[in-house]
Amino acid sequence: DSGVTQTPKHLITATGQRVTLRCSPRSGDLSVYWYQQSLDQGLQFLIQYYNGEERAKGNILERFSAQQFPDLHSELNLSSLELGDSALYFCASSAASGRPGEAQYFGPGTRLTVL
Amino acid sequence: GENVEQHPSTLSVQEGDSAVIKCTYSDSASNYFPWYKQELGKGPQLIIDIRSNVGEKKDQRIAVTLNKTAKHFSLHITETQPEDSAVYFCAASKKGNNAGNMLTFGGGTRLMVKP
Repeated sequence: DSGVTQTPKHLITATGQRVTLRCSPRSGDLSVYWYQQSLDQGLQFLIQYYNGEERAKGNILERFSAQQFPDLHSELNLSSLELGDSALYFCASSAASGRPGEAQYFGPGTRLTVL
Repeated sequence: GENVEQHPSTLSVQEGDSAVIKCTYSDSASNYFPWYKQELGKGPQLIIDIRSNVGEKKDQRIAVTLNKTAKHFSLHITETQPEDSAVYFCAASKKGNNAGNMLTFGGGTRLMVKP
């Protein structure tokens, strides 16, 4: 158990809908990362927040957005969902600075199925 | 951007044998290389990492080597056990303009250890 928690575990929804995925980092960790894992794209970095501020952005679609709240939990919002958004979404956290070379610890993931 | 290639995609070994997984990266500025183990239905678990100022690191049955000149790094697992069966991912990160900590992952290796 990494100490990173994610809810919900599974999410089934329809195309065109909007969902929110939630993540709580390990106690004391200031940085939160979101990754998408799909069969065709593998594990891909989406976005990083550090202490409430966006720190780095990857291949995140405009339909997706994220934020980190004062209590350091983070939410990933996915809107206008398409079939291709079906994937595992992982949150990770790291301790101090959120800078390169800091170990990232992953949560158990949320499996999103878009029908 | 960074590109990480991982080989082989599947690896089957007999219990007690060694397993080696290799990764190459494209960006010479990459300086942090973690390895993750992912079991079915779980999130990636950090098992070992290495930084570019070190050529080799060992933790019990697991070792990682890094060749910066050739831009490749490898995971070595000795005395494999059935519980080592999982998908293993290599990753790389580098210092960017925004000092974020995004990881670029390889495609994964499915390791099967036969009793």
